[in-house]
Amino acid sequence: DIQLTQSPSLMSASVGDRVTITCRVSQDISNYVAWYQQKPGKAPKLLIYRVSALHSWVPSRFSGGGSGSEFTLTISSLQPEDFATYYCQQLNTFPHTFGQGTKLEIK
Amino acid sequence: QVTLRESGPALVKPTQPLTLTCTFSGLSLSTRGVSVNWIRQPPGKALEWLALVDWDDDKFYSTSLKTRLAISKNISKNQVVLTMTNMDPVDTATYYCVKGTYYDGLDVWGQGTTVTVSS
Repeated sequence: DIQLTQSPSLMSASVGDRVTITCRVSQDISNYVAWYQQKPGKAPKLLIYRVSALHSWVPSRFSGGGSGSEFTLTISSLQPEDFATYYCQQLNTFPHTFGQGTKLEIK
Repeated sequence: QVTLRESGPALVKPTQPLTLTCTFSGLSLSTRGVSVNWIRQPPGKALEWLALVDWDDDKFYSTSLKTRLAISKNISKNQVVLTMTNMDPVDTATYYCVKGTYYDGLDVWGQGTTVTVSS
């Protein structure tokens, strides 16, 4: 199975900060990586697919990038509603594995 | 509007099987590229991808769980069923039914159903 390793696992930041979460993958996944946001007690929501395509509800302060073995999710200016847990997922090869998650907390 | 709703038992005894049903609306599982996935999340832990059935009735499973899982679809009922055999307390989790579009992520999630495995 393809392994996805997110870093950091836990991040503390302030409103207005720029933050980047990294997802490292163990094998080639082309550009088939997605990112999800999950708030406590809620189902995850798709943020980004195919590395950098924003889902319809996603504000432009979110962006995705990367290639090869490293992909990133960046939030340019954190808003209070962005504090959540974020997961990456690869959709290139079955099984469609997830990263272990990054919890973004208020500093 | 696409919606998915999971249903099934909240409590299962160890060694018993679990059957979960996903009932959906607003999507056609006959449309090329469309899939229904099952994802689970143990309390306080990460998401785990379990299984997928697609428009062409292809089925794919988690490597570690494939001997215990079976997924099927019933187009006429707008349902996808997941069966997991030999349940164990470590299978305690929230189970999500999710619509996917190949390569484009899991874009519509059900609310999830919590399953506890305990005697």
